[in-house]
Amino acid sequence: GAVVSQHPSRVICKSGTSVKIECRSLDFQATTMFWYRQFPKKSLMLMATSNEGSKATYEQGVEKDKFLINHASLTLSTLTVTSAHPEDSSFYICSAQTGTRSYNEQFFGPGTRLTVL
Amino acid sequence: LAKTTQPISMDSYEGQEVNITCSHNNIATNDYITWYQQFPSQGPRFIIQGYKTKVTNEVASLFIPADRKSSTLSLPRVSLSDTAVYYCLVGDTASGYALNFGKGTSLLVTP
Repeated sequence: GAVVSQHPSRVICKSGTSVKIECRSLDFQATTMFWYRQFPKKSLMLMATSNEGSKATYEQGVEKDKFLINHASLTLSTLTVTSAHPEDSSFYICSAQTGTRSYNEQFFGPGTRLTVL
Repeated sequence: LAKTTQPISMDSYEGQEVNITCSHNNIATNDYITWYQQFPSQGPRFIIQGYKTKVTNEVASLFIPADRKSSTLSLPRVSLSDTAVYYCLVGDTASGYALNFGKGTSLLVTP
């Protein structure tokens, strides 16, 4: 149980286009979802925290107008990279939290590799 | 969120026990200690979590001294497939905290 999927797994796009990445909790309801980005050989950096039905909370330095996050249901959150540029090329990972008070484990998706040409 | 310090990298031979120590001097009373494993181009995978003393599951053990200012992840008899980056995180799981990943420890297991 507790599987998180991401789609697509890899995307290549031209500079200036927008890319949407989906994160789904397949067998549980996620009260909170998180979006991270990871550059090669670097650690994960939290971008934003997303709660179902409310606006996402962005970390300092993350442009909310560039990285649009929608958490429309308890099983789906989307990250849209608007007007992508080569510097946005990265590995984007989402995680979902079950919300059980005694043990709020986060389950991570497999990640999405974005390459902007 | 408590800051954590881990070795940047470690090497081990197959079959050996590997212990990775994490320092978290400013851990708070409500904080738990959680370890994740990450393979290249994959999302992190939960390994183990603990609050104090010792926790053991099918893949690892976690040792936490009484002052909780450090913790040690122990991987028994590692195999080549245990080559990965291991992250130690500290936070209050009950409040729905966002995970703050440090640099992690890159473990290389060789024959």
